[in-house]
Amino acid sequence: EIVLTQSPGTLSLSPGDRATLSCRASHSVSSNYFAWYQQKPGQAPRLLIYSTSNRATGIPDRFSGSGSGTDFTLTISRLEPEDFAVYYCQQYRLSPITFGQGTRLDIK
Amino acid sequence: QVQMVESGGGVVQPGRSLRLSCAASGFNFRSYAMHWVRQAPGKGLEWVALISSDGSNILYADSVKDRLTISRDNSKNTMFLQMNSLRAEDTALYYCARGKCSGGMGSCYFDSWGQGTLVTVSS
Repeated sequence: EIVLTQSPGTLSLSPGDRATLSCRASHSVSSNYFAWYQQKPGQAPRLLIYSTSNRATGIPDRFSGSGSGTDFTLTISRLEPEDFAVYYCQQYRLSPITFGQGTRLDIK
Repeated sequence: QVQMVESGGGVVQPGRSLRLSCAASGFNFRSYAMHWVRQAPGKGLEWVALISSDGSNILYADSVKDRLTISRDNSKNTMFLQMNSLRAEDTALYYCARGKCSGGMGSCYFDSWGQGTLVTVSS
């Protein structure tokens, strides 16, 4: 099983700031098989990024993904008030599909 | 628009059974692999099971293998999760998710999610 470790656990920033969220895999993951999700309280997760760097339909271009091998990053260029949420990474290269434990993005 | 509505959750005693349903609409259900993903209260996401578009291929997480059974009825645009021998650690919000898959079996990300149905296992 590929274990995904997200850092930091909590990130406190202000609107307008740049956010950088990291996800490290226990084994190498092809960049074709890495995704990011956003989850707000009381809501289902929402797909943001797939195949490491492709934005899902309707996702603003302030969200971007990058990485390869074991290290992947989600960057939010300028935080909007609606971006404060929990973010999960996911690998789907090997079964079982696994998620990171999440990074909480809080308003400072 | 794509919509998935889960139902069937509730409070159940350990060792008992429950059957969850996921009713899909707004897309060609029979063309997509479908998944169950769960989230324990205050915790992260855990993939549970997947079923291929025609139902011929199924995968489970080790934590639920031999106790949970995924199935689908493409004529009714519905997916199911039969949950037997339930344990306290199965307590979670169960999401139905549509898979976008490439490569091998299980190589899927989730482009649409339902709102979930809550299963609570408690005596």
